[in-house]
Amino acid sequence: ETGVTQSPTHLIKTRGQQVTLRCSSQSGHNTVSWYQQALGQGPQFIFQYYREEENGRGNFPPRFSGLQFPNYSSELNVNALELDDSALYLCASSLTSGGDEQFFGPGTRLTVL
Amino acid sequence: GDSVTQMEGPVTLSEEAFLTINCTYTATGYPSLFWYVQYPGEGLQLLLKATKADDKGSNKGFEATYRKETTSFHLEKGSVQVSDSAVYFCALSEEDSSNTGKLIFGQGTTLQVKP
Repeated sequence: ETGVTQSPTHLIKTRGQQVTLRCSSQSGHNTVSWYQQALGQGPQFIFQYYREEENGRGNFPPRFSGLQFPNYSSELNVNALELDDSALYLCASSLTSGGDEQFFGPGTRLTVL
Repeated sequence: GDSVTQMEGPVTLSEEAFLTINCTYTATGYPSLFWYVQYPGEGLQLLLKATKADDKGSNKGFEATYRKETTSFHLEKGSVQVSDSAVYFCALSEEDSSNTGKLIFGQGTTLQVKP
C-alpha cells in the first residue's frame, strides 16, 4: 500500500509569484486536507477536499486555493506569494471526512525570497 | 475556538529517563485527541490517539490518557531512547459544521535524548 506522497520536496520562489504543490492520497482515501507549518510552529489547517469539493476552510485568504481530481489526488495553489508563506506544506489523506485518522505526507518546503 | 497548549521545550533527557510532555486543550465539544511525532526532515506520524474520556492511547511504549475533568492528554514514556528524539505534537479533532475533522495542533515540544 502506497502512502501519501507530495511533490516537489523543496521549492524556492520570489514574492508575487504563483506556486502549485501536489499530493497523492493513500489508496482508498477520498479526503485530502492541507496544512501549513511555519518554522517552530504546529501545523495549521488550510482546507479540506472531499470527493472533489472543498469541504471546509481555515483562516487563510482566497489566494490559497485547491483542487481535487477524480483519483482523489490534490493540488494546493498559492497566488501572489508573500514572504510569510514560507513554510512546510503538509498534505494528509483520510478514508473519509469527519474525524477519521489522517495520514500525512512528508511535506513540501516552500521558501519565498 | 478550540485550542491546544503544550509545555514548551526543548526537553533534554538522558537515555532510560522517564518522559512527560504536558498537553491541555480547550474545546466546546468532545474531540478526539492525538499525539503526532515529527522526525527531522519528515512529515507527521500518528503516535497514539484516544476518542473519549478515560480512554488510554498507547504505542511503542508511549501512553496518554484522555482526562476530561482536567482537559489534559499528557504524553508519558517510562524509558526513553536516543531514537525517540523528535518533535511531538498534541492535537485535537475539532467538531465543525462541515464535519471536516480538522486537526488543531499545539506548538510542538522538541525532545532530545542523550546517550
